[in-house]
Amino acid sequence: RKEVEQDPGPFNVPEGATVAFNCTYSNSASQSFFWYRQDCRKEPKLLMSVYSSGNEDGRFTAQLNRASQYISLLIRDSKLSDSATYLCVGNTGFQKLVFGTGTRLLVSP
Amino acid sequence: DAGITQSPRHKVTETGTPVTLRCHQTENHRYMYWYRQDPGHGLRLIHYSYGVKDTDKGEVSDGYSVSRSKTEDFLLTLESATSSQTSVYFCAISDQQGSRGYEQYFGPGTRLTVT
Repeated sequence: RKEVEQDPGPFNVPEGATVAFNCTYSNSASQSFFWYRQDCRKEPKLLMSVYSSGNEDGRFTAQLNRASQYISLLIRDSKLSDSATYLCVGNTGFQKLVFGTGTRLLVSP
Repeated sequence: DAGITQSPRHKVTETGTPVTLRCHQTENHRYMYWYRQDPGHGLRLIHYSYGVKDTDKGEVSDGYSVSRSKTEDFLLTLESATSSQTSVYFCAISDQQGSRGYEQYFGPGTRLTVT
């Protein structure tokens, strides 16, 4: 079993829709989680950090459920520019991260 | 954006040749990392550094070596490139800043093709 697992998608949604991604992790000792956004042929960029139960930044909300070992990312009022791959990431030790393979989001007009 | 550059950005090389990729940062961050990204595998850690001349192996270190002689530079060397090392290589940096210590910031990547 992979340490971090994500549905690869793609998730196809219209502009303005709300979409949610889930990610499960196997290492119960993981303390910190992150969502990165990666555009095609570009580097991953940090979208949100989750150190406690959740975090909210504008249209984006991340929630952590330690009992069930999953993290979610909710995107409200989707924009065309939100089309990208979203990487779920957890830490496995001091300064070391493990990455999911990503969930692809396509937002259409 | 974090000040991280990688060179070269693209490289095509032949099997058996040595290859060195460079990562340069202007953020004075202590930690530096090399990852490779392949379809179906996500990002995998090759080596990382926790200070000048302090490095350690990651998940997929076989066939790779690293060096860090200055805070700002982290070099990744493929001693004898193989086709299985065709990949996109990303450098990342992080620093210990309280609860944000695990956040990593990535360079633009190097696309390496081994023929």
